[in-house]
Amino acid sequence: GAGVSQSPSNKVTEKGKDVELRCDPISGHTALYWYRQRLGQGLEFLIYFQGNSAPDKSGLPSDRFSAERTGESVSTLTIQRTQQEDSAVYLCASSYSGDSYNYGYTFGSGTRLTVV
Amino acid sequence: SQKIEQNSEALNIQEGKTATLTCNYTNYSPAYLQWYRQDPGRGPVFLLLIRENEKEKRKERLKVTFDTTLKQSLFHITASQPADSATYLCALYTSGTYKYIFGTGTRLKVLA
Repeated sequence: GAGVSQSPSNKVTEKGKDVELRCDPISGHTALYWYRQRLGQGLEFLIYFQGNSAPDKSGLPSDRFSAERTGESVSTLTIQRTQQEDSAVYLCASSYSGDSYNYGYTFGSGTRLTVV
Repeated sequence: SQKIEQNSEALNIQEGKTATLTCNYTNYSPAYLQWYRQDPGRGPVFLLLIRENEKEKRKERLKVTFDTTLKQSLFHITASQPADSATYLCALYTSGTYKYIFGTGTRLKVLA
């Protein structure tokens, strides 16, 4: 597609439920990133996928968070047993491979997650 | 500890003036530095990239400087317009990490 697509755009869930967030990157972008942005805060790195390499999960805040990516396409971020502190906007970005540091990231519009 | 600092207070300037935003960092040795623009309810949009061996980069009304001795980048918007009002984020890339770490951003408001 023309841009990075994220769904849903908004999600309200009850504390303790599991949620799944989806990211559709730009075709041809092999690098994919998930960031979290709390209200009024900067972007917090969560996880990075590059092609078929093992993902960099160093930013995942707890074992309730996991993410998958099938090849170089769609990625899903799953949060189990959601807590109110998980409320934030979850942003996905994609970039060209290898030289991903050399190009800007293209971000989606994010999923706004509210845990009540 | 590692820190990226951007002025958390909003910057208000008059239309037509030059806006200057600051990004300071400590305990990083970034190979690359990027600036992004973020509008409310949207994801950040890439503006400019500058490498550690570059002092300055320009794109239309935008200029970025990178001083690795001062550990600082300055982002300038000349002839500012109300449409430039947004939050501006800097992001650092350190070799071997394969990801950018973002600052908290500075909100710019250009007054007509």
